[in-house]
Amino acid sequence: KAGVTQTPRYLIKTRGQQVTLSCSPISGHRSVSWYQQTPGQGLQFLFEYFSETQRNKGNFPGRFSGRQFSNSRSEMNVSTLELGDSALYLCASSLTGQGVNTEAFFGQGTRLTVV
Amino acid sequence: AQSVAQPEDQVNVAEGNPLTVKCTYSVSGNPYLFWYVQYPNRGLQFLLKYITGDNLVKGSYGFEAEFNKSQTSFHLKKPSALVSDSALYFCAVRAYSGAGSYQLTFGKGTKLSVIP
Repeated sequence: KAGVTQTPRYLIKTRGQQVTLSCSPISGHRSVSWYQQTPGQGLQFLFEYFSETQRNKGNFPGRFSGRQFSNSRSEMNVSTLELGDSALYLCASSLTGQGVNTEAFFGQGTRLTVV
Repeated sequence: AQSVAQPEDQVNVAEGNPLTVKCTYSVSGNPYLFWYVQYPNRGLQFLLKYITGDNLVKGSYGFEAEFNKSQTSFHLKKPSALVSDSALYFCAVRAYSGAGSYQLTFGKGTKLSVIP
C-alpha cells in the first residue's frame, strides 16, 4: 500500500511569507501528526489531528497551525516565516493514534528553507 | 512529562562487529517504546517497538532491542553491523497526553557510522 506522502519535498521562502505543507496519510489511517526536525532541537511535536479535529498541540507559537480534511489529508501552515523556521517538517500517520498496536509511519518530509 | 535520552551523539563501529545504541527513558505509567532510523534526506522508518511482554524485541533489518524496566533503558542492538546500517537512530516513547491523544517524544538521535 502507498506510504505517507508529503508535498512539496523542498521549499524556499522569504522571511515574512507564509507557507502551506501537505500530508496524505496511509489509506485508512485517521491520525496525522506533524513534527519539526532541526539539528539543534531534534524532533519536536507540533500537533496531531484525528477525524478533522486537533487533538493535541505541542509548544509552538500560534503562527503554526494545521487542519485535517474529511479524507484524512492534512495541511500545516506557518505564517510570518522566521529564519528559525527552517527545518525538515515530518508528517506521521497512524491508524487511530491510540491503542497498543499503532506505530506511526512517517513521510519523507518537506525541507523548508527560510531566507 | 515523558522524556528520552540518547547519551551518545555518535557511535562508530567496525563492520561485522556488534553494535549498541543506547536509550533511557522517563515516563509515568507503562512505557511504549520505539526505535526509528533515518537515512539522509529521508523520513523516519520504523524499526521496532516494545509495548508489553518479552523484554527482547526483534525488529527489521536484524535489529533488536532490550527493555530493562529497572534501568529504564531500551538499547538497540545488532549482532553484526553492516556499512548500510550507517544512519541516524532515534529512540522514542509514546505517552498519553490527554483527550484521547498520544504523543511521541523523541531522543536527540544517535549517528551510527559503520566503518568498512
